[in-house]
Amino acid sequence: QGQLVQSGAEVKKPGSSVKVSCRTSGGALRSSTVSWLRQAPRQRLEWMGGINTIFRTTDYAENFQGRVTISADESTGIVYMDLTSLRSDDTAIYYCARETSGWFDPWGQGTLVTVSS
Amino acid sequence: DIVLTQSPDSLAVSLGERATINCTSSQSILNSLNNKKYLVWYQQRPGQPPKLLISWASTRESGVPDRFSASGSGTDFTLTINSLQAEDVAVYYCQQHYGSPRTFGQGTRVDIK
Repeated sequence: QGQLVQSGAEVKKPGSSVKVSCRTSGGALRSSTVSWLRQAPRQRLEWMGGINTIFRTTDYAENFQGRVTISADESTGIVYMDLTSLRSDDTAIYYCARETSGWFDPWGQGTLVTVSS
Repeated sequence: DIVLTQSPDSLAVSLGERATINCTSSQSILNSLNNKKYLVWYQQRPGQPPKLLISWASTRESGVPDRFSASGSGTDFTLTINSLQAEDVAVYYCQQHYGSPRTFGQGTRVDIK
């Protein structure tokens, strides 16, 4: 189904929100479970949550409950990750990835989100 | 959460030599019903996203060179790179998918000596 392509880098103020998109190079992410993960400086890779685009169900990591929303546009097949109440420690590279049997493959190229006043 | 601890944090190996990376889980990630070990390995080259190398603890993905091999028990796992090549310089991560949330090791950096 092709490579995953993410939207570009963002610079945000503390307290604001960011929305990152993910699509396949062929255009639509359908019939997949798509997860979002992040890689912050000096931190482990961290799974944030995911969406099953067939059943349109979502699952979020406890650490991000209430701050992250993952959604999919049915018409375009684009998957979005919306993170609110940004803090400086949310500065990270955010990745989307297709999840199969619990692992992640392939990954998008990553989107750098910088949170700074 | 299941905690994965990798060792060492970094290592430098001469070209053509062997690199060995360990990953220890805080609890067993072996499913006794299907005898599968719920652990995968990724390679992350500088400036790139992680790439899946190994699934089910020991199954190489399509296109992964056979100098990469992996094994393990319920809690202790190993990734071996035989005959290290320059393109193997990367950070390697283990990840468990036995429990939720999926968790990763802290990574092991492999460099050329």
